[in-house]
Amino acid sequence: QVQVVQSGAEVKKPGASVKVSCRASGYTFTSYDINWLRQATGQGLEWMGWMNPNSGNTGYAQKFQGRVTMTRNTSISTAYIELSSLTSEDTAVYYCARGQGATNRNDHWGQGTLVTVSS
Amino acid sequence: QSALTQPASVSGSPGQSITISCTGTSSDVGGYNYVSWYQQHPGKAPKLMIYEVSNRPSGVPDRFSGSKSGNTASLTISGLQAEDEADYYCSSYTSSSTPFVFGTGTKVTVL
Repeated sequence: QVQVVQSGAEVKKPGASVKVSCRASGYTFTSYDINWLRQATGQGLEWMGWMNPNSGNTGYAQKFQGRVTMTRNTSISTAYIELSSLTSEDTAVYYCARGQGATNRNDHWGQGTLVTVSS
Repeated sequence: QSALTQPASVSGSPGQSITISCTGTSSDVGGYNYVSWYQQHPGKAPKLMIYEVSNRPSGVPDRFSGSKSGNTASLTISGLQAEDEADYYCSSYTSSSTPFVFGTGTKVTVL
């Protein structure tokens, strides 16, 4: 069965960077996109960007351009998101989800990773 | 890119039907048939309920249905059940530089 498992919670200081991993299993990792989204406490969902694990191509939301990097390691079916220059406004639960291009069909989600930015 | 507009809350009694609206523009909801709906229980990851306006993934009860008219998409839950109490978010592909936008979210309460 398809599973998507994310790394554990992180606590970072303002100005630091954080890297979250997303390990996929139960399907061919390179056949589906990985989307990254986040959700601040009590707030809605926010799409951050996507990555094609086969080509490594990425697309980022304008809001995060220059501050976000999405990568992957196909040998271990794992995707990563790194967000730099953290502020308290980046405190949120970060999700990865298996997607299918422009269809906006995120059918399997990771459990979420809480990133807390605090001095 | 502005968020899609959803009602903050919708409620209904068990067995009733409710409909959640999701209003966008011709650049997103009205322009593409790539509208999805997600259900989220407290503390849990979102779950895909509807994709491409009206398609249900395997395992989603047929009580859930989606539709679209113009710039507004809708999610209808028929035969409301206690376990349907959750937050629901719509999402659409857009023509903007940020290709996906989400709705403001709707809290569904089963009375």
